[in-house]
Amino acid sequence: EVQLVESGGDLVKPGGSLRLSCAASGFTFTDFAMNWVRQAPGMGLEWVSSTDSWTTNIYYADSVKGRFTISRDNAKNSLYLQMNSLRAEDTAVYYCVREGSHNYEQAFDHWGQGTLVTVSS
Amino acid sequence: QSVLTQPPSASGAPGQRVNIFCSGSNSNIGSNYVFWYQQIPGTAPKLLIYRNNQRPSGVPDRFSASKSGTSASLAISGLRSEDEADYYCAAWDDSLSGRLFGGGTKLTVL
Repeated sequence: EVQLVESGGDLVKPGGSLRLSCAASGFTFTDFAMNWVRQAPGMGLEWVSSTDSWTTNIYYADSVKGRFTISRDNAKNSLYLQMNSLRAEDTAVYYCVREGSHNYEQAFDHWGQGTLVTVSS
Repeated sequence: QSVLTQPPSASGAPGQRVNIFCSGSNSNIGSNYVFWYQQIPGTAPKLLIYRNNQRPSGVPDRFSASKSGTSASLAISGLRSEDEADYYCAAWDDSLSGRLFGGGTKLTVL
């Protein structure tokens, strides 16, 4: 069974930093691209960042470019999101999301339960 | 403001059919696959449709989708109370080099 378990969400002051982690299990981690998607309270989904299997191709939403860094440790089956210079508008539940392969390429086929990041003074 | 435009709400009575539309542009829907996700309140989103009109295993055939030009639509027939959820369309955008989600449509089963 595919499992994605996020951790690291917390209350942080504006301008602060936070590192989110996602532990993956139940599939061959190196076979899949991974993403972070966030959802502000009461709002819709916003894609944040993606990385292919070997961090060769990495993409960011304009809203986080230059402040957030996505990375992965394939030996530990883990995905990370380093968030710097945090702003109030970064407050959201952050989901770790697997991107499907083959026929499911580009599909966000498995989602974690999310971890809450709150940016407030 | 999302580049993919969805109506904020939709509704229908049990057993009826409802359509949810998603409007984009040549750089996203017009040249890439469309995906649909269902989010029941308090839970993580779930993949509902991939590659414009394909259903993952386990998704009932009451759910169908199509794409034409720069627009896409999701149809839900035989509405059930458990279909009450938020529905999001999504697509890659070539100009932004990133994924886009629509603003979401809240479906109410009357």
